[in-house]
Amino acid sequence: DSGVTQTPKHLITATGQRVTLRCSPRSGDLSVYWYQQSLDQGLQFLIQYYNGEERAKGNILERFSAQQFPDLHSELNLSSLELGDSALYFCASSAGGGDTGELFFGEGSRLTVL
Amino acid sequence: QKEVEQDPGPLSVPEGAIVSLNCTYSNSAFQYFMWYRQYSRKGPELLMYTYSSGNKEDGRFTAQVDKSSKYISLFIRDSQPSDSATYLCASLDNYGQNFVFGPGTRLSVLP
Repeated sequence: DSGVTQTPKHLITATGQRVTLRCSPRSGDLSVYWYQQSLDQGLQFLIQYYNGEERAKGNILERFSAQQFPDLHSELNLSSLELGDSALYFCASSAGGGDTGELFFGEGSRLTVL
Repeated sequence: QKEVEQDPGPLSVPEGAIVSLNCTYSNSAFQYFMWYRQYSRKGPELLMYTYSSGNKEDGRFTAQVDKSSKYISLFIRDSQPSDSATYLCASLDNYGQNFVFGPGTRLSVLP
């Protein structure tokens, strides 16, 4: 158990809908990362937050947004969903700003868009 | 060219074999090199971590980095069926600002 909690574990929704994925980092970790993993794209970095502030941005679509709250949990919002958004979404946390590459991943949220 | 490249496999070996997994990277600024293991339907977990060039050993696992050739390797000795997973290499620059995963190599160790 990595100590990172993600909810929901599975989510099935329709195109055009909006969903919110939630992540609670390990106790004491200040950084939260979001990754998307699909079969043909591997693990794609979306966005990183450090202590409530956006720190780095990857290939995150404009339809996607995220935030980190004062209690350090984070939410990833996906809107106007398309079939291609079906993927596993992982949250990871690290103690600092990720300066050493030691990330702790949650179990992921599997999103299916029909 | 992707910053971190890795043969996706799949790679199948018999139990007890020595496994060699490899990655290449293109960014000279990368200083930290990691191997993550991901079991099916689970999140990746950090397996090995090295800084700069050299070898690091942990039980049956050895990570090797050759910065002159930009080559990262993971060796698994006496492989076990429980080692069957996808192995992702990852690299990070010295500023902690560019963290890149390879696509992963799927390994099957057959009993």
